[in-house]
Amino acid sequence: SYELTQPVSVSVALGQTARLTCGGDNIGTKNVHWYQQKPGQAPLLVIQRSKNRPSAIPERFSGSNSGDTATLTITGAQAGDEADYHCQAWDSDTSIFGGGTKLTVL
Amino acid sequence: QVHLQQWGAGLLKPSETLSVTCALYGTSFSVYQWSWIRQAPGRGLEWIGQITQSGSATYNPSFKSRVTMSVDTSKKQFSLNLSSVIAADTAVYYCARGLTRRSPFDSWGQGTLVIVSS
Repeated sequence: SYELTQPVSVSVALGQTARLTCGGDNIGTKNVHWYQQKPGQAPLLVIQRSKNRPSAIPERFSGSNSGDTATLTITGAQAGDEADYHCQAWDSDTSIFGGGTKLTVL
Repeated sequence: QVHLQQWGAGLLKPSETLSVTCALYGTSFSVYQWSWIRQAPGRGLEWIGQITQSGSATYNPSFKSRVTMSVDTSKKQFSLNLSSVIAADTAVYYCARGLTRRSPFDSWGQGTLVIVSS
């Protein structure tokens, strides 16, 4: 079965750029979606179809996807961006999630 | 404004059936696909399956033998039943909306914590 692999944790200094990866076999051929989840809250869609931001999401969030890696980039990370981030894709008719990455803003 | 409100029994014994319901507000029922997703404590998200207004359901093979999803169009609600629960089914269960069968999930319920314990 298809698997998505995310690093368990990533740290970034306040105001710097964070890059969160999601690995999968030939993931560049799939649409990848990214969710932000803060403690005690439901996930929030921040990037859809690999690179598109929903209208309410700040411009500092961007996405890319090529080869075996999809990437969520947060440019100028803020304290409020500290959260868990989950990638998601569809394999046939089954939705697959990565294990999630905890982003710490230092 | 789209709002998904969910509820269900929070404490179950092993072998019982988990049941969670999600009510829709501010959104069409017919246009979208409706999913259930769970998150065990300290773990990632896991998709259980999805259903359309017409009742056509697609399940994650990992749950296929135990899961049933249903809809009540008159009440704009859909439900999840998971039978023969075990401790490993302890999780927060979310309902979520997707535009098509393979879309992202753009609206989520608040989550329902279900604990399975003897």
